Amino acid sequence: SQTIHQWPATLVQPVGSPLSLECTVEGTSNPNLYWYRQAAGRGLQLLFYSVGIGQISSEVPQNLSASRPQDRQFILSSKKLLLSDSGFYLCAWSFGGAQETQYFGPGTRLLVL
Amino acid sequence: AQTVTQSQPEMSVQEAETVTLSCTYDTSENNYYLFWYKQPPSRQMILVIRQEAYKQQNATENRFSVNFQKAAKSFSLKISDSQLGDTAMYFCAFMRHSGNTPLVFGKGTRLSVIA
Repeated sequence: SQTIHQWPATLVQPVGSPLSLECTVEGTSNPNLYWYRQAAGRGLQLLFYSVGIGQISSEVPQNLSASRPQDRQFILSSKKLLLSDSGFYLCAWSFGGAQETQYFGPGTRLLVL
Repeated sequence: AQTVTQSQPEMSVQEAETVTLSCTYDTSENNYYLFWYKQPPSRQMILVIRQEAYKQQNATENRFSVNFQKAAKSFSLKISDSQLGDTAMYFCAFMRHSGNTPLVFGKGTRLSVIA
């Protein structure tokens, strides 16, 4: 069976500091991978998605970036965090090559002070 | 662009009763998928149910069922015999069938099950 991991679970960072959130999937190959952000009391906003190594599509231009250095690893980064980057970040995966259900990781709570 | 609307920000239901959450969507696509996800206080998103647009039969998963009205672009979720553990945010989501496209979510409905 497939599992998805995210870390850290919680992160408190000062404004202007860098960010690196990691997501890994086990039990499948060549998954589609997604990063979503959920601000307090709001719905999910898609940030990035990837259909393969080195292939990143950005949905919302901002100071965040994503990378996929390995098949089952998806990283969300920032060089300088803003207060508005605070939120709950969810990684998701689906089987590649077809429209499939997305399965979500446990999420990372990020607080920028 | 596709949009998903959940018109009920909050709802409550007595334990063991039935509740229906509403969802409408807007698309020009003919083939697509619809989902309901549950987000409990732990905040992990959990798939509740999935519906393929080409299927006329409404999807059912135990106590959860949907009423899919393709012409009306409506996709409501019915929870029967509500349990305290059903307390959560519920999100309706849409996904196109063609290409590698992501989910489009509604803003969610907060459901409280009352003992």
